[in-house]
Amino acid sequence: EEQLLESGGGLVQPGGSLRLSCAGSGFTFSSYAMSWVRQVPGKGLEWVSRITGSGDTKFYVDSVKGRFTISRDNPVNMVYLQMNSLRAEDTAVYYCAKDEGGWLPGRLWGQGTLVTVSS
Amino acid sequence: QSVLTQPPSASGTPGQRVNISCSGSTSNIGSKTVNWYQLLPGTAPKLIVYADTRRPSGVPDRFSGSKSGTSASLAISGLQSEDEADYYCAAWDDSVNGAVFGGGTQLTVL
Repeated sequence: EEQLLESGGGLVQPGGSLRLSCAGSGFTFSSYAMSWVRQVPGKGLEWVSRITGSGDTKFYVDSVKGRFTISRDNPVNMVYLQMNSLRAEDTAVYYCAKDEGGWLPGRLWGQGTLVTVSS
Repeated sequence: QSVLTQPPSASGTPGQRVNISCSGSTSNIGSKTVNWYQLLPGTAPKLIVYADTRRPSGVPDRFSGSKSGTSASLAISGLQSEDEADYYCAAWDDSVNGAVFGGGTQLTVL
């Protein structure tokens, strides 16, 4: 069974850092690009970042460029989101997702992890 | 302000058909495929339409997608109470070099 499991969320002060992790299983991890998508409580979905299967190409939404870094470790089926210089507006539930056609998240999503940026 | 424009709300009675629109531009919907996701409170998004018109296995054929030019649409026929949810369209956008979501449409089954 295919599965994604996020971890690493929590409460952090503005300006702080946090690293989210996403463990994949049940599929050939290195064959798929992976994305992070977030949802601010009570608001809509926002795509955050994408990394190709090999890890050699990365994309970011403008609001996180220079602050967030996506990476992956294929031998252990993990994708990460390093978040630095966090702001209150980064408070959201963060989901990792397996990309399928159209360079978009497909059927497989994690359960989400809540990041709260507050003093 | 989302790059893809959806109506904030839609409604229908059980058994009716509802349509949710998603308007974009040549850099996204006009040249890329569209996915639709269903979001229920407290749960991860669920893919209900991909590649403009295709349904993942397990999604009822009451859900259908279409696209014309720079607009896409999700149709739900035979509306059921369990369809009450938020629906989002998404596409890759070459001008921002990233994926973009619509603002979401809250569907109410009256």
